[in-house]
Amino acid sequence: DGGITQSPKYLFRKEGQNVTLSCEQNLNHDAMYWYRQDPGQGLRLIYYSQIVNDFQKGDIAEGYSVSREKKESFPLTVTSAQKNPTAFYLCASSLLLAGGGETQYFGPGTRLLVL
Amino acid sequence: SQQGEEDPQALSIQEGENATMNCSYKTSINNLQWYRQNSGRGLVHLILIRSNEREKHSGRLRVTLDTSKKSSSLLITASRAADTASYFCATVPDTGRRALTFGSGTRLQVQP
Repeated sequence: DGGITQSPKYLFRKEGQNVTLSCEQNLNHDAMYWYRQDPGQGLRLIYYSQIVNDFQKGDIAEGYSVSREKKESFPLTVTSAQKNPTAFYLCASSLLLAGGGETQYFGPGTRLLVL
Repeated sequence: SQQGEEDPQALSIQEGENATMNCSYKTSINNLQWYRQNSGRGLVHLILIRSNEREKHSGRLRVTLDTSKKSSSLLITASRAADTASYFCATVPDTGRRALTFGSGTRLQVQP
């Protein structure tokens, strides 16, 4: 059963704590992405990776970190430097096609709340 | 940063009516995509239109693209209550960056 999974569904963060959101895909996609969604808003790009052991900052990377040690996995760490982390976090993956035009496949999301 | 605006922000129609959503963007694009999001869920891809295309159809969906005006529209014909969701346009720039830049979305409510 192919797809993209995220865990946990809900995550609670205490003041000064780092937390890690999991994203796994078995679609054999080259590229993976992390987006943040605030209530009533569109998605904003945090980080993306097109190949193992390489990743690029998106539009709102401050306070976040990622790793891409395996093709299937792209975990996102929300650090204590992120002062307003409460949001819905969405992971996506896609192939990389010559000339572009890839569809992105999204996971179900993780909702992060600050205690 | 958000790529642009979607219009309207919210739309309420009766079942069977058509729904039209508009999207404007700011930069030159490789392609534009429309996604649907049910409340609290992930996004589902609906349709992709390339910068050299003007119109595309998929089932009850019709998308148009006007690159001179940097705008796109999504038409859902004969809407159903199950079409109730938020709809987002997203662009891929012609710079080689593959990540999507999203608009702010249109919340569609279809009344049965």
